Amino acid sequence: DAKTTQPPSMDCAEGRAANLPCNHSTISGNEYVYWYRQIHSQGPQYIIHGLKNNETNEMASLIITEDRKSSTLILPHATLRDTAVYYCIVRRWILTGGGADGLTFGKGTHLIIQP
Amino acid sequence: DAGVIQSPRHEVTEMGQEVTLRCKPISGHDYLFWYRQTMMRGLELLIYFNNNVPIDDSGMPEDRFSAKMPNASFSTLKIQPSEPRDSAVYFCASTGTSGGPDTQYFGPGTRLTVL
Repeated sequence: DAKTTQPPSMDCAEGRAANLPCNHSTISGNEYVYWYRQIHSQGPQYIIHGLKNNETNEMASLIITEDRKSSTLILPHATLRDTAVYYCIVRRWILTGGGADGLTFGKGTHLIIQP
Repeated sequence: DAGVIQSPRHEVTEMGQEVTLRCKPISGHDYLFWYRQTMMRGLELLIYFNNNVPIDDSGMPEDRFSAKMPNASFSTLKIQPSEPRDSAVYFCASTGTSGGPDTQYFGPGTRLTVL
């Protein structure tokens, strides 16, 4: 799986959009970008994933650059409950017959939402 | 669905004792993963199963660690004998891959302290 680089920490004011960057310059054509987060003392939680198009769900939006070498996770209206460590993970999806393998977590970005 | 269930939530034991951690995956999921999280090493994959069969145990640190999945609804991670350096939070995760890219659902974790 390709390596990712994220800032170690970020602050954001409550109610504002939180934009979390991730660099993945060695990403391969068959690798997806996944985002998970881990709220203190809880297990990691899936947020969103994408291949090359921008994606949006009820939790967040994912913007992937055209060259796919970087992406940004956007939490549109951050709340105090969004304070967590956010992990950007690049991994392949095993297409033949479905399939899965383990996640490789980096150090992530510690996002702190300020009241 | 109740999500991934882990027990116990907290375990304190003395060095040399046997420790057994338990996991019940989400019903219908055919992959089960065991991860360990420490301050020094972060989140790391220990082993994972597909349809109750171990697929990759390269992350298991030593022969003191063993994992089993006797059926689709239950898995154990055993440490025998335990050592203080095994102190960590152990997470179990599951995913079902039929029909789309996998996203892993994590349990709340077991916090293990070996004295």
